[in-house]
Amino acid sequence: NAGVTQTPKFRILKIGQSMTLQCTQDMNHNYMYWYRQDPGMGLKLIYYSVGAGITDKGEVPNGYNVSRSTTEDFPLRLELAAPSQTSVYFCASSPAPDRDTQYFGPGTRLTVL
Amino acid sequence: GEDVEQSLFLSVREGDSSVINCTYTDSSSTYLYWYKQEPGAGLQLLTYIFSNMDMKQDQRLTVLLNKKDKHLSLRIADTQTGDSAIYFCAESFESWGKFQFGAGTQVVVTP
Repeated sequence: NAGVTQTPKFRILKIGQSMTLQCTQDMNHNYMYWYRQDPGMGLKLIYYSVGAGITDKGEVPNGYNVSRSTTEDFPLRLELAAPSQTSVYFCASSPAPDRDTQYFGPGTRLTVL
Repeated sequence: GEDVEQSLFLSVREGDSSVINCTYTDSSSTYLYWYKQEPGAGLQLLTYIFSNMDMKQDQRLTVLLNKKDKHLSLRIADTQTGDSAIYFCAESFESWGKFQFGAGTQVVVTP
């Protein structure tokens, strides 16, 4: 299994541009998550999904959108990039919320200039 | 404020034991976790403990949970230079499907 994969690894955006961060898992996990990690800070939950077709907001959803059309994929969309969205973005998946842990992707480093 | 709090930095000499501490506020968590993050990488699970346990040992790692004080600790015996990383404490909740992370403790191991 490849686990959780994320693309791209790095990206530089100009203010106002849009992009989609891709996340795919091949472990048939129902739960998927998007986090952002700012320097010296812990992970903040942006959005999560408990299964295909179901998504919900986390702590910091503003400026982002998600969709979950399949079990495997959970893309994160930035519509109008702002400098405050400069961060490292991690996607994670888990088979269940409490009986197992989360498996993390390698992260996407995004800079908005 | 943060629901899960950790000290930000710990320096330890190679061969000594490290103890990383974490406090949390929500006692309804079902599992508590320790993750390790090396530079430029994602988080990797080190160990976890079910909330009705008070201790778990896994090779060089010992997790202690004090539910009364809402305090979790991770002890690393015989700390090595490869243990230098950021360590995150986290808790999960059955009813939410969410995980709550602390800000991480930077551990630096010196020769």
